[in-house]
Amino acid sequence: AQSVTQPDIHITVSEGASLELRCNYSYGATPYLFWYVQSPGQGLQLLLKYFSGDTLVQGIKGFEAEFKRSQSSFNLRKPSVHWSDAAEYFCAVGAFQGAQKLVFGQGTRLTINP
Amino acid sequence: DTGVSQDPRHKITKRGQNVTFRCDPISEHNRLYWYRQTLGQGPEFLTYFQNEAQLEKSRLLSDRFSAERPKGSFSTLEIQRTEQGDSAMYLCASSLETGGGYTFGSGTRLTVV
Repeated sequence: AQSVTQPDIHITVSEGASLELRCNYSYGATPYLFWYVQSPGQGLQLLLKYFSGDTLVQGIKGFEAEFKRSQSSFNLRKPSVHWSDAAEYFCAVGAFQGAQKLVFGQGTRLTINP
Repeated sequence: DTGVSQDPRHKITKRGQNVTFRCDPISEHNRLYWYRQTLGQGPEFLTYFQNEAQLEKSRLLSDRFSAERPKGSFSTLEIQRTEQGDSAMYLCASSLETGGGYTFGSGTRLTVV
């Protein structure tokens, strides 16, 4: 069965510091991997996606993620966070082919200290 | 196009009442998805449509839930005889068949009292 684990429920970093959010997935076929961000009371916005090619993918808002097949991981990074990055971040996995029903992790809440 | 629209944004209802939510996807997207998100959790898949055909339903979608997309454009999600456990954010998303990720709406927050 497909599953996504985000080991960190809550992370606090200082503004200007670097950030890494962890994501591990379990999937039996070629995965289609996503990171979404959700501000309070809002829907989800796509940050970036990966399905093939270069394992380091660039997204919006200065985020990047690296796919590591050997570790079944797709960690999200940002070199320097801004106060506006405070939000909930979700990793998701889906089928590269077919319905693209997504399975989401439970999310990581990011707090930024001034 | 202004993205995926959901109406209403918030709904408070008494236990046992019926509620209906509407989703207007991005016009050129032929796939439409419904997800449910409870507090502190990631979204969980409920059902999806390709054009007007409902192609998959989750086990989470009990008999009290029904979704339609009559003309392959907007969709409705109805919950009959609401229960307190139905309180959640109901998210709609749309995509092209060729993939590329969803566009989510802002959701409808349902509170059953």
